[in-house]
Amino acid sequence: ETGVTQSPTHLIKTRGQQVTLRCSSQSGHNTVSWYQQALGQGPQFIFQYYREEENGRGNFPPRFSGLQFPNYSSELNVNALELDDSALYLCASSLGGQPLLYEQYFGPGTRLTVT
Amino acid sequence: AQSVSQHNHHVILSEAASLELGCNYSYGGTVNLFWYVQYPGQHLQLLLKYFSGDPLVKGIKGFEAEFIKSKFSFNLRKPSVQWSDTAEYFCAVSVTGANNLFFGTGTRLTVIP
Repeated sequence: ETGVTQSPTHLIKTRGQQVTLRCSSQSGHNTVSWYQQALGQGPQFIFQYYREEENGRGNFPPRFSGLQFPNYSSELNVNALELDDSALYLCASSLGGQPLLYEQYFGPGTRLTVT
Repeated sequence: AQSVSQHNHHVILSEAASLELGCNYSYGGTVNLFWYVQYPGQHLQLLLKYFSGDPLVKGIKGFEAEFIKSKFSFNLRKPSVQWSDTAEYFCAVSVTGANNLFFGTGTRLTVIP
């Protein structure tokens, strides 16, 4: 167990809908990174939040957006869902932004299915 | 753009066999290298990492990895696997100063008792 929790565990949405995924970071961590893991693939970096500000973004369209709250928990929002958005969404919390310096602790993930 | 290749998709070994999982990356600059493991039903967790110095890195649970710069490789090894090593293993790369990881597609290891 890492102390990073995510909700919900699973959800099913229809194409075109919007979804919000939530992540509670480990106590004391001020950085949250979000990753998308499609079936049979490794995690792909979506974006990172550091002290409530976006701190880097991967190659994902603007319909993927996020927030970080004063308690450092975070949300990932996806608008206009597409079938290819079906994946496991992972969040990772850390004490800072750089994986070299600050180990990222991953949550269990949210499995999103888009039909 | 950076990429990470793990050519072994599924490896099946008997207990006590030696393990080597391949990882190659493509990036010309200074990189930091990681191996993560995901045991069945558990979270992704860090096995070991390399950032400088001795190219042979030792991690948890008897794993080690060797960074060979000329080959752009960072292979994971263990001299004698156990049934409890059954898991999915991911190689990842981070560019020095960057704040994200690039993951390979993963290798599923099955150890037969």
